[in-house]
Amino acid sequence: GQNIDQPTEMTATEGAIVQINCTYQTSGFNGLFWYQQHAGEAPTFLSYNVLDGLEEKGRFSSFLSRSKGYSYLLLKELQMKDSASYLCAVLNSGYALNFGKGTSLLVTP
Amino acid sequence: IAGITQAPTSQILAAGRRMTLRCTQDMRHNAMYWYRQDLGLGLRLIHYSNTAGTTGKGEVPDGYSVSRANTDDFPLTLASAVPSQTSVYFCASSSGTEANEQFFGPGTRLTVL
Repeated sequence: GQNIDQPTEMTATEGAIVQINCTYQTSGFNGLFWYQQHAGEAPTFLSYNVLDGLEEKGRFSSFLSRSKGYSYLLLKELQMKDSASYLCAVLNSGYALNFGKGTSLLVTP
Repeated sequence: IAGITQAPTSQILAAGRRMTLRCTQDMRHNAMYWYRQDLGLGLRLIHYSNTAGTTGKGEVPDGYSVSRANTDDFPLTLASAVPSQTSVYFCASSSGTEANEQFFGPGTRLTVL
């Protein structure tokens, strides 16, 4: 079966750092993705991890531990425009992604 | 066309009616997908196609059908719509290579009354 868990909601202050966690239990693993989705819009790709470790891309970083079934997305120097939902998704067998329910992040002034 | 498009943007439909949601991509991607997104449930895969001529069932396929006659188009059909199919529907595509980043269309908001 597939089980992907992430917090439902988080709040953080502009300029701060926030870490969004994702744990997964899936049959097969071929990589983990993070997507950003603003209200009323389509999801957009943020990051992809297939090996253990940290991938950094500007203000966003993503970490993966396959042995622990764990990933996090780190957002630095938060901006108001970072208020969005962040979706964790696991690629198991084939090409289809299994998504978590998403974390709604609110950035406050 | 640039990327992936969906039509219509939104639709209100009477229960029992037939409806086809259209999806077209111009990136020559092999794989295409249909998801529905509902509040509190996240994105759930309805059907997918790894390459033209093949399709497969996702997590919630009942009440939906798809076809993949060519690389670019992947229509989703509701044969007889029911209110529980009220949702936002996203089409996505990917190259099908190892990294498999999926690109999403803008979505179709469907209301079944």
